[in-house]
Amino acid sequence: AQSVSQHNHHVILSEAASLELGCNYSYGGTVNLFWYVQYPGQHLQLLLKYFSGDPLVKGIKGFEAEFIKSKFSFNLRKPSVQWSDTAEYFCAVILYNNNDMRFGAGTRLTVKP
Amino acid sequence: KAGVTQTPRYLIKTRGQQVTLSCSPISGHRSVSWYQQTPGQGLQFLFEYFSETQRNKGNFPGRFSGRQFSNSRSEMNVSTLELGDSALYLCASSRTSGNQETQYFGPGTRLLVL
Repeated sequence: AQSVSQHNHHVILSEAASLELGCNYSYGGTVNLFWYVQYPGQHLQLLLKYFSGDPLVKGIKGFEAEFIKSKFSFNLRKPSVQWSDTAEYFCAVILYNNNDMRFGAGTRLTVKP
Repeated sequence: KAGVTQTPRYLIKTRGQQVTLSCSPISGHRSVSWYQQTPGQGLQFLFEYFSETQRNKGNFPGRFSGRQFSNSRSEMNVSTLELGDSALYLCASSRTSGNQETQYFGPGTRLLVL
């Protein structure tokens, strides 16, 4: 069955550290890829999305993600995290052949001030 | 600009009953998506509606259904409720412009099935 894997369940960083959160999916066809963020006590927000074209996608709040088709990956990056980036991050994939959307289990990011 | 609103915010039902949840998208947004969030299964996609048509559908049984009205408001219905349907049901509205999608989530409806 198709799945989305976020291998890091909890990541703890100090402010100004660089961030990379992994996301891998197990589907060989065409996909759309997403990263969502949920800050404590707030609603989910869409960070960025990959449809097609440039595999390096820039999102809100300085985040970016790179789609590497050969590795079935869509890792989220930020060069320098802030305390306010403390949140849960979800990767998601839409499978093009059946439009089903799958989410990863989420990665909790804690940024120490 | 008002955000995505969902009603009711909290709901308690018993097994076998049915429930209808409502979502009002941001003005101008024509796409509405529904998600289920539980501690055990995490976030799961239910379905997406665009211009009154179901555009995408997740892997949920037929007890879960939805519809969208001409004003883009959407309803989700769950029939013959089961204990496992207890969850936070999130609605999101979105607008696509070129290759950019803007999506906003509502606060959710927390459903408890007893």
